[in-house]
Formats: sequence, structure tokens, C-alpha cells
Amino acid sequence: NAGVTQTPKFQVLKTGQSMTLQCAQDMNHEYMSWYRQDPGMGLRLIHYSVGAGITDQGEVPNGYNVSRSTTEDFPLRLLSAAPSQTSVYFCASSYGTVDGYTFGSGTRLTVV
Amino acid sequence: DAKTTQPTSMDCAEGRAANLPCNHSTISGNEYVYWYRQIHSQGPQYIIHGLKNNETNEMASLIITEDRKSSTLILPHATLRDTAVYYCIVRVAPSGTYKYIFGTGTRLKVLA
Repeated sequence: NAGVTQTPKFQVLKTGQSMTLQCAQDMNHEYMSWYRQDPGMGLRLIHYSVGAGITDQGEVPNGYNVSRSTTEDFPLRLLSAAPSQTSVYFCASSYGTVDGYTFGSGTRLTVV
Repeated sequence: DAKTTQPTSMDCAEGRAANLPCNHSTISGNEYVYWYRQIHSQGPQYIIHGLKNNETNEMASLIITEDRKSSTLILPHATLRDTAVYYCIVRVAPSGTYKYIFGTGTRLKVLA
């Protein structure tokens, strides 16, 4: 098992550009989430999904879209990148509602 | 939503037990307590979780008070590799969905 795979690992965007952060898991996990982490801070929840076709907003959803067409993939779309979206983005998944999350290694995004 | 309170930082001597406290006085009866850690800028790593009873696994022990208003994560023999930020999280479940809210955690430094 590869676990949770995030691509790319690093990305630099110009203000106004759009892009998709990829997240894939091969553990047949139902629950998936996206978090962002800013310097010196904890993780903040952006969006999450409890299964294919079901998504919901977290603490800081503005400027981001998600979809969950398959159990394996949970991409995060930045619609029009802003410098305030410079952050490290983590994707996580878990099998059930009680199980602990497995996190990916992160995508480091800089918006200039 | 149940909130958690943790000390900002702690030191522990290598080889000694590290005891990390967490206060969650507003926890509901069906909410679990989870512990994660984050080493450097890697993705968070799941450690352990519990509801009422004390729990132990190969990484750590979790002690939950009888009134469930606080808990302690115990690393029995801390090593330098245990230096990390430790997050205590109460899983919130509004409207039947489940998500984690991370705080800023405790920065544990294991000293040689």
C-alpha cells in the first residue's frame, strides 16, 4: 500500500492562477479531508468527505472546491490563487468514523 | 464543539516517560479523544485514541479521567525521535458527520 499520496510536493503559482492539488489513497478509506497549515499554527480543516459523492465544508472553505467522484481520489481545486493561500496542504483519510487518520506528506504551495 | 487545551511546550529527558496533558472539559459522551504528532513539517501521525477506558498500543498509553474532562498521553521511554508537536483532538460530530478540529498542540522537546 502506498497510503495517502499527494502531488505535487511543491508548487509556485501566480496570483489569479488556478490549480488542482491531487490526493489519492489505496486503502479503501471512506473518509477523506483537506487541511492547510500556516507557519507556527495548527491544521485548519478546508473540506472533507464521508464517501464518494459526498463532500462538506470545514473551517476555511472559501477559495477552494472539492469533489469526490471515486473512493480513492479527493482533489482540491484553487479557483483563483491569492497570496493568503500560501500554505502547506495536507490530505488525510480514514477507514471508518472512529479510526485514526492517515496523512499524506503535504503540498507546499506559494502564491506570488 | 468540544475544545481542547494543551500546554504550549514541554521538555523531557531522554529515556524518561513523557506525560502530555490535555484538558477537554466540554467533551460530550460520545466524543472520542485522539492524539497525533507532527515531526518537523511532515504530515501528522496518528498515535492513539480512546473513549472512556485507558488505552495502550506500541507507541503510547492514553489515560482518560473518570469524568472524561482531561486526558494524558504517555510516551513510556522518550527518545530524541519523539521530539515533535503533539495534538490532542476531540472528534466533533455535528449533524452526524465527523471531522477533526486541530489546535496548536504541545511542542515536546526530548533532551539528551
